[in-house]
Amino acid sequence: GQQLNQSPQSMFIQEGEDVSMNCTSSSIFNTWLWYKQDPGEGPVLLIALYKAGELTSNGRLTAQFGITRKDSFLNISASIPSDVGIYFCAGQLGGSQGNLIFGKGTKLSVKP
Amino acid sequence: DTGVSQNPRHKITKRGQNVTFRCDPISEHNRLYWYRQTLGQGPEFLTYFQNEAQLEKSRLLSDRFSAERPKGSFSTLEIQRTEQGDSAMYLCASSLTGGWYEQYFGPGTRLTVT
Repeated sequence: GQQLNQSPQSMFIQEGEDVSMNCTSSSIFNTWLWYKQDPGEGPVLLIALYKAGELTSNGRLTAQFGITRKDSFLNISASIPSDVGIYFCAGQLGGSQGNLIFGKGTKLSVKP
Repeated sequence: DTGVSQNPRHKITKRGQNVTFRCDPISEHNRLYWYRQTLGQGPEFLTYFQNEAQLEKSRLLSDRFSAERPKGSFSTLEIQRTEQGDSAMYLCASSLTGGWYEQYFGPGTRLTVT
């Protein structure tokens, strides 16, 4: 099936640091979404992107829809402890009926 | 708007038993999706409904799985003759139609098959 390559798989943050993660695919996507998931809970929608090149912010989060439509980036500025969790990218292929394809996630943890 | 709700939150069953999960979408959303998530992976699409019509099913949805949305509101997902490999988090999401694909997820049902 279709795959989204999400990186990094995990990262450690110190409060105040900026964080970057990305998703790439060999296929063209019409929509990119970014979710955050806490343990034992469902994913929570953070940002939705609908146009190639689009840059959208939600508070300290900024995401971009890649020009090639095959990638997307999420940046978190000035991280805080509650940013800890697993971040997923998800894409919707052109011609599909709305089902999302998810990456494997980036796990954000706090540096000891 | 109370969000997407799912019941039960946790289910432990013995192999071979049947289980049924329920999802109540956001009230004005006419699309409803089921996903399955195993440990360390992202959610994987199973099936989706637009109103009461089931429009797409993944190859992951074996014959032992059946989903319904009889009145276009809540949905149920039934697994017959459960197997240990069915142990996973089952997630429900809902969205509007019209080209907007922002899917909002419920808290999930964690299934453990012993």
